Amino acid sequence: GAVVSQHPSWVICKSGTSVKIECRSLDFQATTMFWYRQFPKQSLMLMATSNEGSKATYEQGVEKDKFLINHASLTLSTLTVTSAHPEDSSFYICSARRDSKNEKLFFGSGTQLSVL
Amino acid sequence: GIQVEQSPPDLILQEGANSTLRCNFSDSVNNLQWFHQNPWGQLINLFYIPSGTKQNGRLSATTVATERYSLLYISSSQTTDSGVYFCAVTDQAGTALIFGKGTTLSVSS
Repeated sequence: GAVVSQHPSWVICKSGTSVKIECRSLDFQATTMFWYRQFPKQSLMLMATSNEGSKATYEQGVEKDKFLINHASLTLSTLTVTSAHPEDSSFYICSARRDSKNEKLFFGSGTQLSVL
Repeated sequence: GIQVEQSPPDLILQEGANSTLRCNFSDSVNNLQWFHQNPWGQLINLFYIPSGTKQNGRLSATTVATERYSLLYISSSQTTDSGVYFCAVTDQAGTALIFGKGTTLSVSS
């Protein structure tokens, strides 16, 4: 089966610093990757969609200058939380799709971000 | 955009009981997936089921696309089944999965 690896699993940082989260498709090429955010006891909210080699498409209300997404290759997408603040503390999960629009998505194991 | 509603929001069961979780969606879908989120946050993919019926051990799922709903059946529940179950769909135009609010299942021994 398809495997999506996400690192780090958890990170603690000081307010004002930037944090980078990596999402890799290990055994397939992901034409499209997605980033989700989940607050405690809530559902997953789509933040942005990224296609390899093009700019990410952000959902309404998501600050693109705060959450920088780079999808430089068919196996790697990164999410950088810039100038992190305590309210950015959350669980971030990436997912990837191989090619067909109708294919199921594969998810990483998530990153718990805590901003002090 | 497409709306996804799950019911019930919470479910408490004794070990060995059966349960049915429901997912209603507001538009035609290209993709529907059921997930179990474990206590560590990992999403376990249970079914990819935009239509039809599938079974995997004690779990089965049915999607009636024309009536815009899907059901997840859990039989002979075990304490390890506890957690949050999410239904997520992709509409005809979209590419990303849109998640429902989930059903939190608690199974006690």
